[in-house]
Amino acid sequence: QQQVKQSPQSLIVQKGGIPIINCAYENTAFDYFPWYQQFPGKGPALLIAIRPDVSEKKEGRFTISFNKSAKQFSLHIMDSQPGDSATYFCAASKETSGSRLTFGEGTQLTVNP
Amino acid sequence: SAVISQKPSRDICQRGTSLTIQCQVDSQVTMMFWYRQQPGQSLTLIATANQGSEATYESGFVIDKFPISRPNLTFSTLTVSNMSPEDSSIYLCSGGLAGGQETQYFGPGTRLLVL
Repeated sequence: QQQVKQSPQSLIVQKGGIPIINCAYENTAFDYFPWYQQFPGKGPALLIAIRPDVSEKKEGRFTISFNKSAKQFSLHIMDSQPGDSATYFCAASKETSGSRLTFGEGTQLTVNP
Repeated sequence: SAVISQKPSRDICQRGTSLTIQCQVDSQVTMMFWYRQQPGQSLTLIATANQGSEATYESGFVIDKFPISRPNLTFSTLTVSNMSPEDSSIYLCSGGLAGGQETQYFGPGTRLLVL
């Protein structure tokens, strides 16, 4: 049973655009929501993470928006660059599960020059 | 941060054989995990590697098929036993620093093809 649903599956934007990737979760016990970036042939790398006590977190060009009541969170990439082309995964975990991550299905982002 | 290396980086194996994948972390981590990822798809957690005790397996994964060892805080192995073509996948290990829920660092993965 997929507990974290991610959309869209793929996304193509022009350089400078603002791609938005959305995730929805079911388990209200989740209390940590990271986003990972994965390039071909590499392992995922943490991009940014948020906890449900804040509604937004920004790090550089990457912003997470979090809606606790809707059980949804999203990643926005400002001024996207071709180097941002990668697969992005949202994930969720709960402290009581010892950091075990449940991943979304992934979004393949292509940023055209 | 933590740097995680895996050996081998890729392998081609025959049906019915077993392969052991090694995961080495450059610093002590509290938690270590093993994942499977089909190309172009998401990550599925296989098990949590516990130091000095039996690994904790997720639903659908069993110790006889995926035995795991973790003799210390920086090293773990995953064995894929009695392989079939369905085991062809990317196997990733990850480590989390002390404090639990914070960043999990991933290795580069081991690409396995079973013929």
